[in-house]
This record gives sequence, C-alpha cells and structure tokens, in this order.
Amino acid sequence: AQSVTQLGSHVSVSEGALVLLRCNYSSSVPPYLFWYVQYPNQGLQLLLKYTSAATLVKGINGFEAEFKKSETSFHLTKPSAHMSDAAEYFCAVSDMNDYKLSFGAGTTVTVRA
Amino acid sequence: DTGVSQNPRHKITKRGQNVTFRCDPISEHNRLYWYRQTLGQGPEFLTYFQNEAQLEKSRLLSDRFSAERPKGSFSTLEIQRTEQGDSAMYLCASSLELTGPQETQYFGPGTRLLVL
Repeated sequence: AQSVTQLGSHVSVSEGALVLLRCNYSSSVPPYLFWYVQYPNQGLQLLLKYTSAATLVKGINGFEAEFKKSETSFHLTKPSAHMSDAAEYFCAVSDMNDYKLSFGAGTTVTVRA
Repeated sequence: DTGVSQNPRHKITKRGQNVTFRCDPISEHNRLYWYRQTLGQGPEFLTYFQNEAQLEKSRLLSDRFSAERPKGSFSTLEIQRTEQGDSAMYLCASSLELTGPQETQYFGPGTRLLVL
C-alpha cells in the first residue's frame, strides 16, 4: 500500500522568502503524486501532479515540485512567498493499480510580513 | 462548469440521529469519491464509485455508513446512529475516467458534521 509522510506540520516563512514543503512517499509500484492546497473552510485545490512524465513539475501560483525516485521524495517549492500562500498543503499518492488518494497529515504555512 | 457541490455545508446533530449528505459532481465526471477529514489530519478515503457502481469501500466505512450513486449522477452518504467520533469534514471529489488513477480529483467544499 502506498503512503506519504510530510515532514513538518507547520512552516513559517517571511514574505518573499523560499517556501519548501517536504514529502516522502512509499509505494511498491510507480506512483502518481499530487500536491493540494486547502484554504480555511474550503475544499482541496490541485497545485500540481506527477504522472511519470517530466520529473520537474510546474503548477499554479508559482509552485513547482521535483520527483526524485532515488530519494522517494516529491518536495514542493516556491521561490518567493506571498501572503496569499498562507494555507494548508497536502501531499498525496496513488498508483496505477489504485484510484484512491492517500494523503499526508498536511503542512500549515504561515507567511510573515 | 460550477465544480463539485456539497450540501449541507454544515450539520449539527445529536448522537444517535441519522444524517445524510449530498454531493453533486462535475457533470461529465463518471468517478466520484468520498473522503473524511478530521482536525489536523489529511483526508482519508471512504469509498468511490464509477458511474453507479460502488467499486471500493474503506474499512473506515462501518456498517453505519452507506453511500449510493443512483443513475451515476449525484451521490449521498448516510450515517446512521451517529457517534461523537463521526464529527469530521466529509469531502466529495469527482474525476473523469480517461487515463486512469492519474486523473485529477476535483474536490467540493465539504460538509462539516458535528455530533453532540
């Protein structure tokens, strides 16, 4: 069964600083990996996904993530944080044999002015 | 395309009562998923449908839970004899079956249940 681990439940960054959110996965077959963002009292919105094409994936709002098979990682980055990036971020995994998503526990991002 | 909608958005009930939630997926999407999210945790899979067929159920889905998707359109999730541990956000998602599990799941705003 596949699973993900998100390192760090809370991340605080200054506006304009690099945002780095860590995600490591466990999967017995090639995975599909997703990053979702959740704003308060809202559903989840897809930021980006890896589906075995390019290992560097660009998403919405300036976010990108790199799939590293050797490290079983799919870390999310944004070069310059904006106040509007304050939200909760979830990494999720599925694979070719399974339609359900397995989510990490989430990382809450706060942005300091 | 108005996205995935869920009703009600909030539900407060007393322990032992039955509740039913509704999800309307994006119109052309043939796959529909239910997840549960408790405070401070990521969503956990409950069940999913392809058209009207329920293809998988999580062990989290006790016999007090039942989900339906008549005619492959909207879906309902019913919880009978609610318990305080059922308090959570119930999320619905839908996707279009084109290339398989890599298809994006689009989430609704969720129904927040509080059992007193």
